[in-house]
Amino acid sequence: SQQGEEDPQALSIQEGENATMNCSYKTSINNLQWYRQNSGRGLVHLILIRSNEREKHSGRLRVTLDTSKKSSSLLITASRAADTASYFCATRNQGAQKLVFGQGTRLTINP
Amino acid sequence: EAQVTQNPRYLITVTGKKLTVTCSQNMNHEYMSWYRQDPGLGLRQIYYSMNVEVTDKGDVPEGYKVSRKEKRNFPLILESPSPNQTSLYFCASSLTTGGTEAFFGQGTRLTVV
Repeated sequence: SQQGEEDPQALSIQEGENATMNCSYKTSINNLQWYRQNSGRGLVHLILIRSNEREKHSGRLRVTLDTSKKSSSLLITASRAADTASYFCATRNQGAQKLVFGQGTRLTINP
Repeated sequence: EAQVTQNPRYLITVTGKKLTVTCSQNMNHEYMSWYRQDPGLGLRQIYYSMNVEVTDKGDVPEGYKVSRKEKRNFPLILESPSPNQTSLYFCASSLTTGGTEAFFGQGTRLTVV
């Protein structure tokens, strides 16, 4: 079953602009993770935010988590062509033994 | 280098011919899992394993088998592949069950004709 739902499904911006992707989920979570996937390749872990955290940074990435709204956002600042990829949120639900992935946001950075 | 290795990367087979996709990790992770990725459906978990000799069904286990005889290996077995199993498959491992980052293999693109 799909837990995280990303929004938008696709996003196209100019190089240098900021990109924001959102993820909503339905049940209580232990943590939420964001992954990147280059076309047809394996997913790469970007950042993990725990349910008791509200914001986390890693380089040009900023993730927020609002557990009251059951939502998270991923902000990529000063985008580069190499950021072109699909981005997935994944939640680890309380008491569950797995990560549940959303369907992803396809991000295209235009030079 | 920490990695999850899947083989083969690409496979075309015929309906009913048994096949195995291998997965190996070198990080001494306890938790391993298999996903399939299909357009419009995202990643769906097939099977997972919390440790040696401990496996359980994910969301879409029908038509698949797994085994975990050693900590590092977690092969995916299709006893009698069918065309609806044509998909992109990923193996993943993590230190614990979902509490830490997952490391993914490069994927196996399987076509069943």
